Amino acid sequence: SQKIEQNSEALNIQEGKTATLTCNYTNYSPAYLQWYRQDPGRGPVFLLLIRENEKEKRKERLKVTFDTTLKQSLFHITASQPADSATYLCALLLGETDKLIFGTGTRLQVFP
Amino acid sequence: DADVTQTPRNRITKTGKRIMLECSQTKGHDRMYWYRQDPGLGLRLIYYSFDVKDINKGEISDGYSVSRQAQAKFSLSLESAIPNQTALYFCATSDIAGASGDTQYFGPGTRLTVL
Repeated sequence: SQKIEQNSEALNIQEGKTATLTCNYTNYSPAYLQWYRQDPGRGPVFLLLIRENEKEKRKERLKVTFDTTLKQSLFHITASQPADSATYLCALLLGETDKLIFGTGTRLQVFP
Repeated sequence: DADVTQTPRNRITKTGKRIMLECSQTKGHDRMYWYRQDPGLGLRLIYYSFDVKDINKGEISDGYSVSRQAQAKFSLSLESAIPNQTALYFCATSDIAGASGDTQYFGPGTRLTVL
């Protein structure tokens, strides 16, 4: 069956450290992989997109890697801050359907 | 003003009632979507529309219907609400796929409770 897996357990890290979140998928061949941030009670907000032929993408303190052989994406936040505390969702865009499929998200808590 | 707005933001209703959730956008996007979000299940697609004359079912369309009144407006209806439709509902828009990778822009959500 097709599925997207994100660690359902919250990730707790200390301010200043690098947070690394994982997104694994099976039986998909995504054209793109996206990461969104969601705060409690609010809609997801787009952060980064990486294409199937790209290995890595950076934006300020954020870095995303995409390994289509391992079927995995890693999302890194360097020099994390308490304001980075939120739930982070990965989403796959399937080229043949033009629809996004979302993972269930991982909650990140950055403490001072 | 927000690019994607949803009304109402919160709604409590009773089983069997008809409910309409409305979504408006000022981004000029052709594509619009309705999702529901439940704890532990993530975002699930209910219906989507790639232009005014195009309506498609998502993975969980049973019990729901939609109307695309204009490029900027996309409404979701629950014809006869039931308690397991209690959830957080999101509307989203996107530009055509390609360079944008179908990046989606979400509204603030509607929290619906069916008693």
